[in-house]
Amino acid sequence: AQSVTQLDSQVPVFEEAPVELRCNYSSSVSVYLFWYVQYPNQGLQLLLKYLSGSTLVESINGFEAEFNKSQTSFHLRKPSVHISDTAEYFCAVSDHFGGNTPLVFGKGTRLSVIA
Amino acid sequence: DTEVTQTPKHLVMGMTNKKSLKCEQHMGHRAMYWYKQKAKKPPELMFVYSYEKLSINESVPSRFSPECPNSSLLNLHLHALQPEDSALYLCASSQGVTGGNYGYTFGSGTRLTVV
Repeated sequence: AQSVTQLDSQVPVFEEAPVELRCNYSSSVSVYLFWYVQYPNQGLQLLLKYLSGSTLVESINGFEAEFNKSQTSFHLRKPSVHISDTAEYFCAVSDHFGGNTPLVFGKGTRLSVIA
Repeated sequence: DTEVTQTPKHLVMGMTNKKSLKCEQHMGHRAMYWYKQKAKKPPELMFVYSYEKLSINESVPSRFSPECPNSSLLNLHLHALQPEDSALYLCASSQGVTGGNYGYTFGSGTRLTVV
């Protein structure tokens, strides 16, 4: 069974500073990895995903995440954050080979961008 | 159409009421989900439907009753709820239960308040 650990429950950061949200996973099989973002009173939106190939994946709004198989990590980074990036971020993992196991979500990291 | 639509967006109900939450998608997804999310917590999986059949019930109390009338619709019938059931209820869909190449697509949720 897969599991996901998001090491930081809250991350405060000043506007235009860089940020890294950490995610580690545990799985006995190959996995797909996802980052979701949730703005207040909204559903979850897919931010980016790693399926295969290049270990660095990027989103359209400047976030990137790097898959590191040896460290079983999928950390999310942004070089310069904006106020509008304030939200809850969830890392998720799924079984690469299909089956009947739903996505497993981490507990989330609340990113607060300070003006 | 790349959306999951949930109605209503807000619902206030008494403990003796019967109400239903509705979810609709037209992406041809064959897996649909109900999640419950309390404030500042990750979503908790309640039910999974795969090809219109209930495949996972995460020990949810019987006062919550899911229904999947067809491949595009998912309902959650509510009866005799308790105040602690107040939460954001999220619907999601995906190509397959594991999420495959695209992960899950979430609706914006129904904010339920039980009084």
